[in-house]
Amino acid sequence: AQKVTQAQTEISVVEKEDVTLDCVYETRDTTYYLFWYKQPPSGELVFLIRRNSFDEQNEISGRYSWNFQKSTSSFNFTITASQVVDSAVYFCALSETRFTDKLIFGTGTRLQVFP
Amino acid sequence: EAQVTQNPRYLITVTGKKLTVTCSQNMNHEYMSWYRQDPGLGLRQIYYSMNVEVTDKGDVPEGYKVSRKEKRNFPLILESPSPNQTSLYFCASSTLKGDGYTFGSGTRLTVV
Repeated sequence: AQKVTQAQTEISVVEKEDVTLDCVYETRDTTYYLFWYKQPPSGELVFLIRRNSFDEQNEISGRYSWNFQKSTSSFNFTITASQVVDSAVYFCALSETRFTDKLIFGTGTRLQVFP
Repeated sequence: EAQVTQNPRYLITVTGKKLTVTCSQNMNHEYMSWYRQDPGLGLRQIYYSMNVEVTDKGDVPEGYKVSRKEKRNFPLILESPSPNQTSLYFCASSTLKGDGYTFGSGTRLTVV
């Protein structure tokens, strides 16, 4: 079955702490895409990253980094030196190339960064 | 600019009064979809369309209708809204490869 699990409902940190948001997925497809989206308090969904299943190289973009491990079906997201502006709900999502009828979302992790 | 445009951003309506939320994309995408977001449940798919005149139910289609008469437009219709349809709604479009989804800004609907 296809499923995305974000076990952390809420995380609170103090500014400058590093924080990792976990994402575990299940898929019946051999080729798939994984995504992370940020939803700030204003409500829109902001695209952060896309990873395809053939590319397990970790990615870094500024303070953001992603660790993709097919062996554990995980696609974790780390924010280094968190800032108040990072406060948002973060969603992990899965798209299967053979079953492209939908994007499957996790339930989201609310991150609160306190000054 | 490539985008998905949803209107309205906010809507308060009364039970039973038909409403339509519009969605339009300018990327010539074949695939379009509607999601609703509720606390603790993430985003769930309502309906999707793989091309003009082709629509299908998602996970939570009850109480909703859609149409795809043109490639760029995919309106969401609530014929008789009820309070349990109070939610944040997103329209999305993509190529059929599913390798990149563009979302609208969301419509926050309240049914009283």
